[in-house]
Amino acid sequence: DGGITQSPKYLFRKEGQNVTLSCEQNLNHDAMYWYRQDPGQGLRLIYYSQIVNDFQKGDIAEGYSVSREKKESFPLTVTSAQKNPTAFYLCASSMLGGAVPQHFGDGTRLSIL
Amino acid sequence: RKEVEQDPGPFNVPEGATVAFNCTYSNSASQSFFWYRQDCRKEPKLLMSVYSSGNEDGRFTAQLNRASQYISLLIRDSKLSDSATYLCVVDSGGYQKVTFGTGTKLQVIP
Repeated sequence: DGGITQSPKYLFRKEGQNVTLSCEQNLNHDAMYWYRQDPGQGLRLIYYSQIVNDFQKGDIAEGYSVSREKKESFPLTVTSAQKNPTAFYLCASSMLGGAVPQHFGDGTRLSIL
Repeated sequence: RKEVEQDPGPFNVPEGATVAFNCTYSNSASQSFFWYRQDCRKEPKLLMSVYSSGNEDGRFTAQLNRASQYISLLIRDSKLSDSATYLCVVDSGGYQKVTFGTGTKLQVIP
């Protein structure tokens, strides 16, 4: 079955450490997204990518970086510059032409040690 | 005023009841509207799109009121499995103009 796989499910970050969240999809979708969800807030867009080798900043890109070297993969790195990284991170995808995510991965919960 | 506002609830309803949620939006140029369902500590799942003419999918009906700038979701004959948080999403034109509401929590009680 097609879907989005995120790993790991849980991740702990030490002070000053960069961590990378994996996102892989086999839906053949062109667009991929990273969102962050905090309690009591709506999902906020970190980065999105419409095609391979191209990506754009979302509303809260500071302290994060991404790459899109393959259509199937859109990893997110949470850098040490992100001072409040504790959140639920969701990767999503959609067919090209739609700005609204159609499918989400099951998320990664990141906490600070 | 927030771009997208939802009553956080919780809405506690008995099985078999009909329940409705509203979601208001502030940008009159908003173009597309959606409802998602999110179970506790899980990912959101697209429930349905919302069209000007309204649309129905089984027990679920979604409607758009452009004049008053809100969308609604009606659930008939509530099931225990409908317990979740319902998110409204408004697309005001492009990737960086898609706004998620904070969600309305529904708890269906036996």
